[in-house]
Amino acid sequence: NAGVTQTPKFQVLKTGQSMTLQCAQDMNHNSMYWYRQDPGMGLRLIYYSASEGTTDKGEVPNGYNVSRLNKREFSLRLESAAPSQTSVYFCASSEVMGGPSGTQYFGPGTRLLVL
Amino acid sequence: KNQVEQSPQSLIILEGKNCTLQCNYTVSPFSNLRWYKQDTGRGPVSLTIMTFSENTKSNGRYTATLDADTKQSSLHITASQLSDSASYICVVSEGSGTYKYIFGTGTRLKVLA
Repeated sequence: NAGVTQTPKFQVLKTGQSMTLQCAQDMNHNSMYWYRQDPGMGLRLIYYSASEGTTDKGEVPNGYNVSRLNKREFSLRLESAAPSQTSVYFCASSEVMGGPSGTQYFGPGTRLLVL
Repeated sequence: KNQVEQSPQSLIILEGKNCTLQCNYTVSPFSNLRWYKQDTGRGPVSLTIMTFSENTKSNGRYTATLDADTKQSSLHITASQLSDSASYICVVSEGSGTYKYIFGTGTRLKVLA
């Protein structure tokens, strides 16, 4: 099992460019998440998908969109990148959202630099 | 406001020594609390999960405690190893039906030889 995979591992963008971060999980999990992690701050939730076919905004959704393509895949899109979006992005999945079975499994992260 | 606060922010100890990391939360209603370990440049990995009725949970040299009355948890690391150098993150799940995860900012532990 690969667990949670993310592509790309590293990306440099210019302000205004767009890109899509890809995430896939092979654990048959129902719930998937996108977080960003900035120095000195905890992980902040951007968007989540509690189950296939649903998506909801998290704490910091502005400037991002998501697509739950199928049960395995959850992508994050930056339509017009801004320097404030320079961060490390983590995708995570869990069997269900919350509760004792809601342990999240994280991908290796995507390091994004916006110039 | 639901919050999770961790202390200390950072800690340096010598290999072989023990240490205790603290987590205080104001999340209500409470569902469960998890401790994660995050190595530099990697995603967090779950160490333990504790529900309301559990006081102690161990995972090898890691022992987590929970006092639901005072809303405090601790993570005790015994006989530290160089590989314990990482950030340790406390995450509390709400029990209101939304089951949202509230993350602490983590404690960065450095173990020196």
